[in-house]
Amino acid sequence: GENVEQHPSTLSVQEGDSAVIKCTYSDSASNYFPWYKQELGKGPQLIIDIRSNVGEKKDQRIAVTLNKTAKHFSLHITETQPEDSAVYFCAASGNTPLVFGKGTRLSVIA
Amino acid sequence: EADIYQTPRYLVIGTGKKITLECSQTMGHDKMYWYQQDPGMELHLIHYSYGVNSTEKGDLSSESTVSRIRTEHFPLTLESARPSHTSQYLCASSELGAGVTEAFFGQGTRLTVV
Repeated sequence: GENVEQHPSTLSVQEGDSAVIKCTYSDSASNYFPWYKQELGKGPQLIIDIRSNVGEKKDQRIAVTLNKTAKHFSLHITETQPEDSAVYFCAASGNTPLVFGKGTRLSVIA
Repeated sequence: EADIYQTPRYLVIGTGKKITLECSQTMGHDKMYWYQQDPGMELHLIHYSYGVNSTEKGDLSSESTVSRIRTEHFPLTLESARPSHTSQYLCASSELGAGVTEAFFGQGTRLTVV
């Protein structure tokens, strides 16, 4: 089955700096790679996703890149703000239930 | 805003009690899931369903059971709760279509067994 590794587990950045979270996956059949943000006391919420036929996708301050050959994908947050502080999860799926990485706790220091 | 609801939000119960965690969605999604989230944040799939009368076990062994009698409802039951069941339980749903689509999560139920 699919296995998703996520790094780092914790990340602290100064407000205004960029944050990068990296994930690798094992199943070459996976073709959908979402990123979720989970705030305290809430369920995870989708912030951006990418499919295997696309190498990069951007939505305002958030971007995701995918390298299918190397089986890794990354989340980039630019101009970080205190409200970006949360736990972020990557996931992978090939028409099966999502398999999640272990999460990254991002702290943005004002 | 996702239309998927979990009740209760918080529950403290004694060992040996039977409990049912409720999950309902109003989006007409065929696929529904239960994930268990441990204190270290990791999400583990424990059950899923692709439609009425269809249920499957997930990757993490669980003593819980589920049922899917109606499309919108996917309850999870623990017949005899134990302290090891203490965790956050998250329900999610997604469309049944060609390829994988976004999964929408509920707010979760935080269960404490004493």
